[in-house]
Amino acid sequence: QKEVEQNSGPLSVPEGAIASLNCTYSDRVSQSFFWYRQYSGKSPELIMSIYSNGDKEDGRFTAQLNKASQYVSLLIRDSQPSDSATYLCAVIRGNTPLVFGKGTRLSVIA
Amino acid sequence: DVKVTQSSRYLVKRTGEKVFLECVQDMDHENMFWYRQDPGLGLRLIYFSYDVKMKEKGDIPEGYSVSREKKERFSLILESASTNQTSMYLCASSVPGQAGNEQFFGPGTRLTVL
Repeated sequence: QKEVEQNSGPLSVPEGAIASLNCTYSDRVSQSFFWYRQYSGKSPELIMSIYSNGDKEDGRFTAQLNKASQYVSLLIRDSQPSDSATYLCAVIRGNTPLVFGKGTRLSVIA
Repeated sequence: DVKVTQSSRYLVKRTGEKVFLECVQDMDHENMFWYRQDPGLGLRLIYFSYDVKMKEKGDIPEGYSVSREKKERFSLILESASTNQTSMYLCASSVPGQAGNEQFFGPGTRLTVL
């Protein structure tokens, strides 16, 4: 059973701080990794993808991947109240459906 | 921009009714997916399709069927709706082999079965 594990939260951070969201996965041959943001009542929106070990930065977001440890994380710098949402981690191997974690709820306190 | 549309945002049906949920994507994506999302259970894959007239069962196909007669359209069918099928239904599409198979979601249909 392929699994993706996330802490459900809520993770509360003050405005302006760094939010760190973590995800572990069980399928060692997973190749592609994604972070989705989902606001309450809305559908998931892709915010980051990462395919190789290391860091990938996009604006205030940094995705980090460590395949040896089967670990992927998302850092949000200068967190804003508008970042308050549920963040879903997803992994994939080849042309198979994404496997999603249950998500971490982030709350940024003004 | 990829656009995935779903026929209804909100739907209320009665137990035993046959329900059709439609999904259309405008980017010529081969892959299409249907999920349901429930609090505490996350996203669960119902069915998916990698090509026209092709379908594969996901993790929870019981009580559902699908139809893909055209590449851009993937329909989810509840043959006889039951109250435990009250949920948010999400459609998604992707292109195999491109950009790591990124999936794009439609806005969702919140279905209530009374």
